[in-house]
Amino acid sequence: TQLLEQSPQFLSIQEGENLTVYCNSSSVFSSLQWYRQEPGEGPVLLVTVVTGGEVKKLKRLTFQFGDARKDSSLHITAAQTGDTGLYLCAGPPGTYKYIFGTGTRLKVLA
Amino acid sequence: DAGVIQSPRHEVTEMGQEVTLRCKPISGHDYLFWYRQTMMRGLELLIYFNNNVPIDDSGMPEDRFSAKMPNASFSTLKIQPSEPRDSAVYFCASSPIDRASTYEQYFGPGTRLTVT
Repeated sequence: TQLLEQSPQFLSIQEGENLTVYCNSSSVFSSLQWYRQEPGEGPVLLVTVVTGGEVKKLKRLTFQFGDARKDSSLHITAAQTGDTGLYLCAGPPGTYKYIFGTGTRLKVLA
Repeated sequence: DAGVIQSPRHEVTEMGQEVTLRCKPISGHDYLFWYRQTMMRGLELLIYFNNNVPIDDSGMPEDRFSAKMPNASFSTLKIQPSEPRDSAVYFCASSPIDRASTYEQYFGPGTRLTVT
């Protein structure tokens, strides 16, 4: 069974701090996605990475896909309270079907 | 576009009752997905459709669960009979046709189901 393990599970930091969350698997994925989910809402897609070693930036968020395409990281610079939420990675074990990671619940304190 | 629409947003029912969850995908999207989210198991794919045809229902937990997509703008997920362990948030998501072997899923706001 292909699994996507995320770490840490929970993270509470002060506004302005930097943080990195990780998404790891023992399997190779053709692509990985990152979503953010806020309470009472559905996940919202942030980014898709498809090439090993790829780095994508979205304002203060930096996403990296591992060279071997088994892992990914999300780095947030100078976190803001608006970054609070559940961060999920997702990857396709097959065609047209994604599995989701275990999630990292981030809380940014003012 | 209004996005993916789900109804009801909250449902409380008694064990043994039939529950029907509804979803209207984004117009023009070819794929529709039903997910279930719990604290213990996270976000799990139940079933997905392509052009109204069920493609993979291997995530449907048991025969009490069924899903239909009678047309491109409507889908239902039915649980009959419901059990307390079915309590979860159920999400519907839709996606445009695959591009470069990846696709973007747009999620609805979810239906929070409580079975007592």
